[in-house]
Amino acid sequence: EAQVTQNPRYLITVTGKKLTVTCSQNMNHEYMSWYRQDPGLGLRQIYYSMNVEVTDKGDVPEGYKVSRKEKRNFPLILESPSPNQTSLYFCASRAWTGRADTQYFGPGTRLTVL
Amino acid sequence: QKEVEQDPGPLSVPEGAIVSLNCTYSNSAFQYFMWYRQYSRKGPELLMYTYSSGNKEDGRFTAQVDKSSKYISLFIRDSQPSDSATYLCAMSLQGGSEKLVFGKGTKLTVNP
Repeated sequence: EAQVTQNPRYLITVTGKKLTVTCSQNMNHEYMSWYRQDPGLGLRQIYYSMNVEVTDKGDVPEGYKVSRKEKRNFPLILESPSPNQTSLYFCASRAWTGRADTQYFGPGTRLTVL
Repeated sequence: QKEVEQDPGPLSVPEGAIVSLNCTYSNSAFQYFMWYRQYSRKGPELLMYTYSSGNKEDGRFTAQVDKSSKYISLFIRDSQPSDSATYLCAMSLQGGSEKLVFGKGTKLTVNP
């Protein structure tokens, strides 16, 4: 079954305590992205990756890091989380061929930073 | 002005109604347009995508793009309670671009 998995699904942490949210896909997709979703602000792209070792900033990259050392994994790192990073986070993978666009989103990670 | 504007609703319609969901955009360089459906407490799922001005149909769903007016629409025919969800539009400069810009989403409820 094609899927994108994220861990943890829920996390409550404190300001400044480094954390990593993992994302893994089993479809061999080249493209992967991270988004945050906030009430009234919608879905905003944090970082994206078009292949292994190729990453770029989305609209709201401040305070986040990513790495893409292997195709299936795309972790999101918060080096020093702050309360304004409290949000619902989604990882996504994508295959785009020019004729077909296949996208899968993970189930989401709800993060609370106190 | 936001790059992509989408009325958040909420929109409530009776079962069987035709639903029209819309987005406007300011960047005339956008060439690729997408619609997603997001059920409560779930990740978005890609519903439709298109490059072209004009209509693209898939079952009960029709995506319409008017590049001259910078306006896109999603029509749902014979709406069902299972269509109740938040619908998000998104767009990018080209089809292979992973840099996507989303509207804020419109919450739709279809009442039985």
